[in-house]
Amino acid sequence: GAGVSQSPSNKVTEKGKDVELRCDPISGHTALYWYRQSLGQGLEFLIYFQGNSAPDKSGLPSDRFSAERTGGSVSTLTIQRTQQEDSAVYLCASSLVSGSYEQYFGPGTRLTVT
Amino acid sequence: AQSVSQHNHHVILSEAASLELGCNYSYGGTVNLFWYVQYPGQHLQLLLKYFSGDPLVKGIKGFEAEFIKSKFSFNLRKPSVQWSDTAEYFCAALVSGSARQLTFGSGTQLTVLP
Repeated sequence: GAGVSQSPSNKVTEKGKDVELRCDPISGHTALYWYRQSLGQGLEFLIYFQGNSAPDKSGLPSDRFSAERTGGSVSTLTIQRTQQEDSAVYLCASSLVSGSYEQYFGPGTRLTVT
Repeated sequence: AQSVSQHNHHVILSEAASLELGCNYSYGGTVNLFWYVQYPGQHLQLLLKYFSGDPLVKGIKGFEAEFIKSKFSFNLRKPSVQWSDTAEYFCAALVSGSARQLTFGSGTQLTVLP
């Protein structure tokens, strides 16, 4: 079966521009997570969606970051007015809510802000 | 707040050597523990996980990990490494009852020399 997919795989943008990153979770997974992997910071949690509940945004680093999940499936992470420190690999993961809670990760989007 | 520590940032071994990567977590309650691996150019994959029961957990590719509650540790082991084990290894914890986001360690880069 298909795993978690993310697009684009690479994104280069100029400082100050907005970017949108997309995640398609595994079909049937109701939980969706965004993480950021950057040099010197490791893997950081950003935001969590579970079904129709309000998302847990506790990991978002600033109000320039936002995310939405439409129809309980596809999610978009938006970064407004990008800064150089936003350069990182943005990872999406999904999981079932019950059971082993194993999170399955996508290949990531490498964002470079110039 | 919980945290996960991996004290070895880069480990270099020859093929057939034994491997032990350290992982310590700081949380007094019930935690679920994971080891993920990221091979060069690939996305994060689950190696093994501990939820409850036998503290010695066996995963894929001959890896195992032992949960020692008194030491807050979940070290990863393999008796004989192969060149193909060259990858970055991440320990992660999930606090039971939380919003279920993973807290990751900083990662250990393992290089196996042929």
